[in-house]
Amino acid sequence: QVQLQESGPGLVKPSQTLSLTCTVSGDSIRRGGYYWSWIRQHPTKGLDWIARIYYSGTTSYNPSLASRFIISVDTSKNQFSLTLRSVTAADTAVYYCARQWDGSGNYFDYWGQGALVTVSS
Amino acid sequence: SYELTQPPSMSVSPGQTARITCSGDELGEKFVGWYQQKPGQSPVLIIYEDSKRPSGIPERFSGSNSGNTATLTISETQAIDEADYFCQTWDTFVVFGGGTKLTVL
Repeated sequence: QVQLQESGPGLVKPSQTLSLTCTVSGDSIRRGGYYWSWIRQHPTKGLDWIARIYYSGTTSYNPSLASRFIISVDTSKNQFSLTLRSVTAADTAVYYCARQWDGSGNYFDYWGQGALVTVSS
Repeated sequence: SYELTQPPSMSVSPGQTARITCSGDELGEKFVGWYQQKPGQSPVLIIYEDSKRPSGIPERFSGSNSGNTATLTISETQAIDEADYFCQTWDTFVVFGGGTKLTVL
């Protein structure tokens, strides 16, 4: 059973850097065949795909979002991470990590439970 | 940039059929996935590649995609199907629809 678990601070001050980590169990990031993505959801809003990374380090980002995001992977720990610089209140959201099929449809078949991040002084 | 449009909300009576649409330019030429999200929970994949169901998803959920519109059909809708539903595709990057809140009453 594939499981993903987000971890990180629940509260971040404006202008600081947010770091989130997703720990994967039941699958190996190094196996290939899947991308590993971050998606966020503002309160009572829709889903916004942020970025994805392959085990090799190949990345893609949503060009509609600010270029403040950096995604990285640590295959030795079976984890991938998201860094967001200079956070503002607009970054308050639930952040999900998810496994994304690297093929037709590029769908997300496993999701973490989500990490609520609040940006406030 | 590419956009997917869904009705913000819809309602259906128990036992009836709900059809949730997702519109986008030449969407029929792309693959579409659908996700169900209940309050306080993570999204769950219920349809992928337009019409395929992952293991464990009830047969009453089905999907189609043609022209500019993809449709999620829920047959014999039950109270437990009350949720938000999101469509998703891939253009040059991942695109989600805005979501449809389905009320069963």
